Amino acid sequence: QVQLKETGPDLVQLTQTLSITCTVSGFSLTTYNVHWVRQPPGKGLEWMGAMWNGGGTDYNSAFKSRLSISRDTSKSQVFLKMNSLQTDDTAKYFCARSYYYEDYVMDAWGQGASVTVSS
Amino acid sequence: DVVLTQSPATLSVTPGERISLSCRASESVDTYLHWYQQKPNESPRLLIKYASQSISGIPSRFSGSGSGTDFTLSINGVELEDLSIYYCQQGNSLPTFGAGTKLELK
Repeated sequence: QVQLKETGPDLVQLTQTLSITCTVSGFSLTTYNVHWVRQPPGKGLEWMGAMWNGGGTDYNSAFKSRLSISRDTSKSQVFLKMNSLQTDDTAKYFCARSYYYEDYVMDAWGQGASVTVSS
Repeated sequence: DVVLTQSPATLSVTPGERISLSCRASESVDTYLHWYQQKPNESPRLLIKYASQSISGIPSRFSGSGSGTDFTLSINGVELEDLSIYYCQQGNSLPTFGAGTKLELK
């Protein structure tokens, strides 16, 4: 059974760093890519970046150098780390997978982790 | 970045009718265009990939068409469970999503 589950803090202080873990089961990180997508309250979806099955990464330029994605294949986990948080980073953060040769077809999603940035 | 414009923003529907949702790209994305459904407080669900390819487990009333810059998601016989927000997403370059079309009950 395919599952992705995001875990992280509910609340992060302004200017601090957000760390979220996506733990997957039912598939291999060496066969599937994992993407991070966020959704501010009441708004649409924004792609943040991807961890490719081969270990490379790509990022949305909107996040410049404050976003980092990494993984631990032995633990089936992908990590999102974003620094210098602002109030407009308040959002639900989803991880989603795509098959290795269907780069951006996100066929399974986690439930999402809701994060509030507080001053 | 490729900008996707979805229309209408909101569509009022009657169960049983056939409807079409539009997604237009600011430049050609070939057929690298995918559709998702998101119900309130749920994660998005993939409905259609590569503009017109069906997805296992998705009801056959959902279909997609288009290529280049103009795309359509059709629902043939809307059901109450289809009341959701629908997003298009392009994958010809780093992904972008449209702003969504919300289906509501007339």
